Amino acid sequence: NAGVTQTPKFQVLKTGQSMTLQCAQDMNHEYMSWYRQDPGMGLRLIHYSVGAGITDQGEVPNGYNVSRSTTEDFPLRLLSAAPSQTSVYFCASSQTGTGKNIQYFGAGTRLSVL
Amino acid sequence: GDSVTQMEGPVTLSEEAFLTINCTYTATGYPSLFWYVQYPGEGLQLLLKATKADDKGSNKGFEATYRKETTSFHLEKGSVQVSDSAVYFCALSGRVPLSGGSQGNLIFGKGTKLSVKP
Repeated sequence: NAGVTQTPKFQVLKTGQSMTLQCAQDMNHEYMSWYRQDPGMGLRLIHYSVGAGITDQGEVPNGYNVSRSTTEDFPLRLLSAAPSQTSVYFCASSQTGTGKNIQYFGAGTRLSVL
Repeated sequence: GDSVTQMEGPVTLSEEAFLTINCTYTATGYPSLFWYVQYPGEGLQLLLKATKADDKGSNKGFEATYRKETTSFHLEKGSVQVSDSAVYFCALSGRVPLSGGSQGNLIFGKGTKLSVKP
């Protein structure tokens, strides 16, 4: 019962470096999303996807790219990291359709950009 | 746009005290409402939910009732335990669409940190 798996759990980057945060789910969920959590801000949506090949922007998409080539995986890419991207990142997934909008979250990736 | 407002924390209670965390929302249509809990160092877990007006969600002694007339979804527990110490998030979403659209995205409040002392 793996659910939503995020890797790595912790990462430190230097300004300008790139990296990919991985997210995989084994529940055959069509809907996947990425949030960032900052103190006093709650969780804010970065990007989301309603199925393979379909992605869209959330509230705070700048500086992040996503792709969805399979149902299982939804990686988040930082092309040129900035200190403002220091945060905790959560991936989530859910089914689609009426009454199926319970989102399941991964354990998070804590990212520091120096 | 849609939004969620929940009471500022932190909230500190003694064990067995009564808990209320207020949550109000602004939304078009008929959103589903959720309470998520985040224990230290972990991701978010669904605590309870309600999908229509007057529904009561309940789990682990926590309850919340979907009040459309007051646009509220307050979280309550009659007797808190030390193990309830966590951050609690109120959230809303629409139906996750079968193709495209943002209605299914969760909109979160800023979270309320609860500390329960023995």
